[in-house]
Amino acid sequence: SQQGEEDPQALSIQEGENATMNCSYKTSINNLQWYRQNSGRGLVHLILIRSNEREKHSGRLRVTLDTSKKSSSLLITASRAADTASYFCAKSDNAGNNRKLIWGLGTSLAVNP
Amino acid sequence: DAGITQSPRHKVTETGTPVTLRCHQTENHRYMYWYRQDPGHGLRLIHYSYGVKDTDKGEVSDGYSVSRSKTEDFLLTLESATSSQTSVYFCAISEGGAEQPQHFGDGTRLSIL
Repeated sequence: SQQGEEDPQALSIQEGENATMNCSYKTSINNLQWYRQNSGRGLVHLILIRSNEREKHSGRLRVTLDTSKKSSSLLITASRAADTASYFCAKSDNAGNNRKLIWGLGTSLAVNP
Repeated sequence: DAGITQSPRHKVTETGTPVTLRCHQTENHRYMYWYRQDPGHGLRLIHYSYGVKDTDKGEVSDGYSVSRSKTEDFLLTLESATSSQTSVYFCAISEGGAEQPQHFGDGTRLSIL
């Protein structure tokens, strides 16, 4: 069952704007990962943030983690039409099986030119 | 991109027939995963492998079996396909289970009539 909950489910913005997606979870984690999926393709790993980290950057992407609130955010700055995709969070549960990830249902992002 | 290939990419078959999907990797990663992706359900784990001949069930394993006789290949078999198994199937690989990123194939679109 999914324990990562993304919100919003869908987001539509204009090119150049920032996009923020959130992921909440219920149990303690070892790490939390963000992935992107373009239509008709497999998922692509974006960023992995460990439980002892608070923020990570990769290009125009910024991920934050607040373990006290059991939540993470993915910020895409200066969005482009090519950022249109679905974004998923997945967590590694430190109380259970460290071989598999627990996935959220994703946020569908549309960036309009 | 990680060397991961799924075959076939598309398949249409009839209810009751056996179907085997293949995942092949050239990365020598220990972990391999089979997921299915359906609208409204996100990514659901079917089976995974943590080594040659070492496999375990995921959350939706009923009606599916897997085999891993060598590091590079992970086979997913539907012994007697049903229409509820119509889906997009993704294979993923990982060096370190849930502690490292997963890398995905481009998926197999399976339709069971």
